[in-house]
Amino acid sequence: AQKVTQAQTEISVVEKEDVTLDCVYETRDTTYYLFWYKQPPSGELVFLIRRNSFDEQNEISGRYSWNFQKSTSSFNFTITASQVVDSAVYFCALSEAYNYGQNFVFGPGTRLSVLP
Amino acid sequence: ETGVTQTPRHLVMGMTNKKSLKCEQHLGHNAMYWYKQSAKKPLELMFVYNFKEQTENNSVPSRFSPECPNSSHLFLHLHTLQPEDSALYLCASSQDFSGELFFGEGSRLTVL
Repeated sequence: AQKVTQAQTEISVVEKEDVTLDCVYETRDTTYYLFWYKQPPSGELVFLIRRNSFDEQNEISGRYSWNFQKSTSSFNFTITASQVVDSAVYFCALSEAYNYGQNFVFGPGTRLSVLP
Repeated sequence: ETGVTQTPRHLVMGMTNKKSLKCEQHLGHNAMYWYKQSAKKPLELMFVYNFKEQTENNSVPSRFSPECPNSSHLFLHLHTLQPEDSALYLCASSQDFSGELFFGEGSRLTVL
């Protein structure tokens, strides 16, 4: 069965600090997709990134970067020079390709507070 | 116009009431979903529709009744709910099952 673990329940940092959010997943499938979503106080989950299991290249988008390591089943998310607007709950998610969408599993989320 | 719109944003109802949550997507997607988000619990998938056909019912109690009249609209009919059903109900859509989920802002339900 698939499972997503986000061991950090809450993190607080001061503005301009770098912060890494951890995500560890379990799946028996060889083809799967990993995601990160941001949920600000408004409630809507905002899509940040999708990665397929065959693409282990790390990705950088502005202040955001993602480190995908199949060997450790981890898909960590780093925010560089954090800002107050980054305060939100961040969810890591996994979907197995054979039953994509119907089998979308979310982690419990990490609440990030960026203090001015 | 946002991609996925949910109404109402907030709803308070008694246990004997009947109400409905509405979701509309303007993205041309074919799959729509209902998720439940309770405090201190992971997001729970409730229902999945693909091309208006229900493809998943994740052991949801019958007091929740989904309806998908077309690929752009999804409803969640509520009746005789319990206080533990109080939660944020999130609607999402995706292009078939080949893309990421796009979420609405949710309907926060309180059952008294």
